[in-house]
Amino acid sequence: DSGVTQTPKHLITATGQRVTLRCSPRSGDLSVYWYQQSLDQGLQFLIQYYNGEERAKGNILERFSAQQFPDLHSELNLSSLELGDSALYFCASSGQGAGELFFGEGSRLTVL
Amino acid sequence: KNEVEQSPQNLTAQEGEFITINCSYSVGISALHWLQQHPGGGIVSLFMLSSGKKKHGRLIATINIQEKHSSLHITASHPRDSAVYICAVLRSGTYKYIFGTGTRLKVLA
Repeated sequence: DSGVTQTPKHLITATGQRVTLRCSPRSGDLSVYWYQQSLDQGLQFLIQYYNGEERAKGNILERFSAQQFPDLHSELNLSSLELGDSALYFCASSGQGAGELFFGEGSRLTVL
Repeated sequence: KNEVEQSPQNLTAQEGEFITINCSYSVGISALHWLQQHPGGGIVSLFMLSSGKKKHGRLIATINIQEKHSSLHITASHPRDSAVYICAVLRSGTYKYIFGTGTRLKVLA
């Protein structure tokens, strides 16, 4: 158990819909990272938050947004969903910028 | 060309064999991670390196900053080592991670 909790584990929805994925980092970790893993691609870095502030942005679509709340949990919002958004979405946390990463079990999103 | 390249992409080994997975990168980095992803999908961080060598049980990771290359070695491989091994680098001066496409390892009993 990494200490990182992601919900929901599985989500099936339709094109055009909006979903929210939630991540609770390890106790004490200030950094939260979001990654996307599609079937035909490896892990892609989406965005990082540190203590409530956006710190780095990767290949995140404009239809996607994220935030980190005062209690340090984070949410990834995916809107106007397309078939190609079907993927595993991982959250990871770390204590510092280049510290060890602890991954959640992922949220598997299926867009039909 | 990808900024992080791993080789081989796929590897099948017999139990007990010594295994090496390579990672080359073309950008400046402040850290390199080796990750393990099991068939169920879960990802575990094996090592974080910024220089030298680290060992944990049967796993050894090395990095050569000048050559922009890292290796992950598995000694006395076991079927439970079957997984995808992913190299991830933290680009210097940023907080952005770049991932290799992974090496799929299968260890046969």
